[in-house]
Amino acid sequence: AQSVTQLDSHVSVSEGTPVLLRCNYSSSYSPSLFWYVQHPNKGLQLLLKYTSAATLVKGINGFEAEFKKSETSFHLTKPSAHMSDAAEYFCVVTPFNAGKSTFGDGTTLTVKP
Amino acid sequence: DGGITQSPKYLFRKEGQNVTLSCEQNLNHDAMYWYRQDPGQGLRLIYYSQIVNDFQKGDIAEGYSVSREKKESFPLTVTSAQKNPTAFYLCASSLNPGQSNQPQHFGDGTRLSIL
Repeated sequence: AQSVTQLDSHVSVSEGTPVLLRCNYSSSYSPSLFWYVQHPNKGLQLLLKYTSAATLVKGINGFEAEFKKSETSFHLTKPSAHMSDAAEYFCVVTPFNAGKSTFGDGTTLTVKP
Repeated sequence: DGGITQSPKYLFRKEGQNVTLSCEQNLNHDAMYWYRQDPGQGLRLIYYSQIVNDFQKGDIAEGYSVSREKKESFPLTVTSAQKNPTAFYLCASSLNPGQSNQPQHFGDGTRLSIL
């Protein structure tokens, strides 16, 4: 069985300050991990993915995530928040056998001017 | 541009009525998915299809039905048996369902409400 826990349902930062969105997972074998972003009334857009290559993954819009197997974590970071980053973020795990994906409950990011 | 098109964007259902949500993709992807999203919750899988003329139930299939007669199309019917259909419905596709590293591509969703 696999699961995903997004540790914060809401995160609020000021524009220009760092962003940290936390994700812990559990999976029987080496999974693939993804971060998606969703703006209001829109579908999900892929930010980045980890697929057993480099543990530090760079994505779009300045986001990156680090896969830490020992901590079973895949936290999403960005050095400097922009107003346009305000959205819902989802961490997703897919098992190595390409079974069904499991979505976290999401983290709402608010960016204050 | 390739992508996934969901229609309509907003849909209203009367009590006892079936409604069908459209999902079309021109990405030549093999796998397609339907998810339901409720406020404050993650996505829950309704149905998925890995190949034409075949589909499997997801975690919350009761009250829904699908078909996959063409590779590019995966319509979802919300039947009158679904007692709480008000939600945001998202369709997605992925290139190769046998590879875990394939991300899913999403449409912009259909918001279904009860009249």
